[in-house]
Amino acid sequence: DQQVKQNSPSLSVQEGRISILNCDYTNSMFDYFLWYKKYPAEGPTFLISISSIKDKNEDGRFTVFLNKSAKHLSLHIVPSQPGDSAVYFCAAREAGNMLTFGGGTRLMVKP
Amino acid sequence: DSGVTQTPKHLITATGQRVTLRCSPRSGDLSVYWYQQSLDQGLQFLIQYYNGEERAKGNILERFSAQQFPDLHSELNLSSLELGDSALYFCASSSRDLGGYTFGSGTRLTVV
Repeated sequence: DQQVKQNSPSLSVQEGRISILNCDYTNSMFDYFLWYKKYPAEGPTFLISISSIKDKNEDGRFTVFLNKSAKHLSLHIVPSQPGDSAVYFCAAREAGNMLTFGGGTRLMVKP
Repeated sequence: DSGVTQTPKHLITATGQRVTLRCSPRSGDLSVYWYQQSLDQGLQFLIQYYNGEERAKGNILERFSAQQFPDLHSELNLSSLELGDSALYFCASSSRDLGGYTFGSGTRLTVV
């Protein structure tokens, strides 16, 4: 039973446009959500996070939105750059600082 | 450099063999987590250790085991290897008070 799902395995966007990556979860006990970015041959690196008590968090070109009633979060990248091409994982935290990861979305930003 | 060190970076071995993957967590982090990523799939949680003790177990096979030593480094032991065990194995560490993990660069295991 996948508690965190990223239903789009891949996304292609033109440079300069907005990238929107989506994530759905089922566990109401998750209290913190994170996005990680992964380049080939590297480990995932932390990108941005949001607490369950907020609905938006912004950091430069990256914004994460949380809709608790829909159990849905999204990552917006504006404007998208070729260097943003990577696999993005959403993750959700529950008690004990345990993170559950989604399956990842491969973002390709075309010049 | 994330501060989490994993060795070796690459490992090629035959079916039926046993290997040990090593992880040194970021300085000050007490928790170590092991994840498996197979063929562009998601990160599957294997096991967590906190300050030397097993804290949580995920979808870890009985052929796999892990431990965390007094100096906080951790080892993941994979035995009776099968072709399907070929994957990237990531270690991550965290401080108890932080919400995220810091990942190592992974060990790519190829079973032939």
